[in-house]
Order: sequence, then C-alpha cells, then structure tokens
Amino acid sequence: GAGVSQSPSNKVTEKGKDVELRCDPISGHTALYWYRQSLGQGLEFLIYFQGNSAPDKSGLPSDRFSAERTGGSVSTLTIQRTQQEDSAVYLCASSLFGPSDTQYFGPGTRLTVL
Amino acid sequence: GENVEQHPSTLSVQEGDSAVIKCTYSDSASNYFPWYKQELGKRPQLIIDIRSNVGEKKDQRIAVTLNKTAKHFSLHITETQPEDSAVYFCAATAGTYKYIFGTGTRLKVLA
Repeated sequence: GAGVSQSPSNKVTEKGKDVELRCDPISGHTALYWYRQSLGQGLEFLIYFQGNSAPDKSGLPSDRFSAERTGGSVSTLTIQRTQQEDSAVYLCASSLFGPSDTQYFGPGTRLTVL
Repeated sequence: GENVEQHPSTLSVQEGDSAVIKCTYSDSASNYFPWYKQELGKRPQLIIDIRSNVGEKKDQRIAVTLNKTAKHFSLHITETQPEDSAVYFCAATAGTYKYIFGTGTRLKVLA
C-alpha cells in the first residue's frame, strides 16, 4: 500500500512568513510523529499524536511551532514567523499503534528560510 | 531526561570487514530498540529492531545485541559492502509516547 507522504517536498520562504507542512500517514496508523533534521544532524523529536489523545508537544522548540491532526489522519505542522534557524528537513512518521511499533518515515519537506 | 548516546560518529571500514555501532540509553523502562539506515537525501528506513525480552536478533548480515543490565545495544554488520554506506541511527522508546534517537553514525565502506 501507499507509504507516508509529505508535501511540499521543498519549500523556500522569506524570514517572517508562515509555512504549513502536510503529512499523510499510512492508512490505519494511529500514531503520527514529526521530527526535524538539520543538515548532517540527527532526528529531533517535535510532536506526537496518538489517536484522539492530546498530543505530546514536548519537543516543539518554540511557540511559533504548532501542529494539528484532523480526523485522526492528516497532520499539518505550522511554523509562524519563520526564522533562518528553522531551515531543516521536516520528517513525518507513522506507526500502527505507538512507539513500540515500527515507525515509517515520509520523504520529508526541505524548508529553506531566506 | 531520557538520552541515547551513539558511538562512533563516523566509521570507515574496508569492504568485507565488519562494522559495529554502539548505543547506550538512560531510561530503564525502554523496551523497544530500532535501528534506521538513512542514505544521502533519503528518508530513514528500519533495518532491524529488538525488543527487551530478547538478547540478540539476526537478519542475514545484520545483527543487533541488547544488554538490558548495562543499558546498551549494538548493531553489527558483517561482510560490509559499498551499499552499506549510509548514516545509521539507533533509537530507544522513552516514556509512553516516543523514541529518542541517537546522533547517528556515518558509515563509509571503502572498496
């Protein structure tokens, strides 16, 4: 079946603008994760959604970052008033039930803030 | 807080030799330990995983060992090939909701 998809694949924006990044998880997966990966670096956890439970937002770096997941499926990560240090690849992953299941990653969105 | 340390950060081996990457974790409640391979410009992909009730797992040239007492786990790649060149990440479950990833190991297999 289809894997995790993300859009756009690339986004170039000017400092101070807002951006929205989209993630479509694998159908039937109840858990969804967002990570940030700066160039040559590891995976920084941002936020986790599990079913209809309140999301774990503990990894969001500032209040400019927010995310929602509508209908337990598609998720949107919003970055307001973007800064140059927000430039990174934003990866989404989904798993069947939770963190003890395999996470399947999307191709990522490469965000460049000029 | 929870932490996963990964060593080495870079590793170069001759084709055909073995490669070992080691990780330690801090949360004694961690019960699932996946390893991901990320090729340049690609998404991370699971290559092997192990759960806390098992000490070792093998899949062809790849094996993972887990020592729960010492809180460390290792990835072993035998008979390395150029296509094994990539960045490898370990991870451990942390709390109820998430993984913590290691900082990655860049493996270069020299032909």
